[in-house]
Amino acid sequence: DAKTTQPNSMESNEEEPVHLPCNHSTISGTDYIHWYRQLPSQGPEYVIHGLTSNVNNRMASLAIAEDRKSSTLILHRATLRDAAVYYCTRASYGKLTFGQGTILTVHP
Amino acid sequence: DTAVSQTPKYLVTQMGNDKSIKCEQNLGHDTMYWYKQDSKKFLKIMFSYNNKELIINETVPNRFSPKSPDKAHLNLHINSLELGDSAVYFCASSQVASGGLAKNIQYFGAGTRLSVL
Repeated sequence: DAKTTQPNSMESNEEEPVHLPCNHSTISGTDYIHWYRQLPSQGPEYVIHGLTSNVNNRMASLAIAEDRKSSTLILHRATLRDAAVYYCTRASYGKLTFGQGTILTVHP
Repeated sequence: DTAVSQTPKYLVTQMGNDKSIKCEQNLGHDTMYWYKQDSKKFLKIMFSYNNKELIINETVPNRFSPKSPDKAHLNLHINSLELGDSAVYFCASSQVASGGLAKNIQYFGAGTRLSVL
């Protein structure tokens, strides 16, 4: 069962950019890369997804390596409300394969 | 007006009991899912239904039986509960994109925390 690997935890200061890395070296050509985040006592929340090109939305940016074996979620200006567990997932025919996630701590 | 709602939020029960968790979505989606999150926070898909048809069935004990009476509901029934079933169970839904299932965005409920004593 191919997985994604992420650092266990990262820290940031408020108002600073955060780059959350993810390795997905066994990703197949048709799998999308999705990012979700989970706040305490809540369900996962969609953040962004992409296939090959970099993507931007109101929440974040997603930078995908040319070989698609890794990606980086970019939060341009972290806020205290961004403190959560961030999951990088492979999406294959409706099935999201979650890794262990990165716990993001944001300091005031 | 919650998009994906699960009931109950908490469920405490004895080993050997049978219990159900209900899930409803009001997003008009055609695909629903059940995930299990263990104590180490790993999220793993269990089942998926598209238009009431089972499309994903991971290696889950047959004590777990999903039931989809219509597109908006996917309930999870668990027989003979065991200690190892203690976890948080999440329901999710999505609208399958025209390009296939791969890029669909999933919307999750708040979870049901099941404790088996």
